[in-house]
Amino acid sequence: AQRVTQPEKLLSVFKGAPVELKCNYSYSGSPELFWYVQYSRQRLQLLLRHISRESIKGFTADLNKGETSFHLKKPFAQEEDSAMYYCALREGSQGNLIFGKGTKLSVKP
Amino acid sequence: NAGVMQNPRHLVRRRGQEARLRCSPMKGHSHVYWYRQLPEEGLKFMVYLQKENIIDESGMPKERFSAEFPKEGPSILRIQQVVRGDSAAYFCASSSTSGKETQYFGPGTRLLVL
Repeated sequence: AQRVTQPEKLLSVFKGAPVELKCNYSYSGSPELFWYVQYSRQRLQLLLRHISRESIKGFTADLNKGETSFHLKKPFAQEEDSAMYYCALREGSQGNLIFGKGTKLSVKP
Repeated sequence: NAGVMQNPRHLVRRRGQEARLRCSPMKGHSHVYWYRQLPEEGLKFMVYLQKENIIDESGMPKERFSAEFPKEGPSILRIQQVVRGDSAAYFCASSSTSGKETQYFGPGTRLLVL
């Protein structure tokens, strides 16, 4: 069955430290993966998608099919990065998303 | 463009009552997805609709839940005879087309069943 796993419920780092939010998936086909972010009191918004291979707000994520992972990384965390981060997988051609349980990132000053 | 709108933002119902959740997609979007988020869980897909059509309702409970997206007006998720386990945040997302397009999310409706 298709599944997205985010093993860390909470990740706390100091400002300027590197951060890596883990995401593993299981999917029988060719996956399309996303990271969504939800800042405090704001709606869920797309951060990045693997097919774009882009860097948004200093974040990058590489799809590793061998390890079935799509970890989100940033070399130097900022306080404004504090938020809930959700990894998601798009299922089939219909477009509905399968989400992980989310990781709360807290960046301390 | 105001983005995806959902109302009400908070809804309190007693067991056995009906809950109606509304979602107005972004202007120009004709595809709507509903997701439910239980406490401490990720969002789970419920139903995917286009105007006047249900495309995929595989994630929606077979009983008490229904969804529609009429030609005019918002999409509505209806929960009949609510139970405490229905307490959750319900999110709506819209896209201009299905498949490869980005889904834009609304702020959610938080349903509390007493």
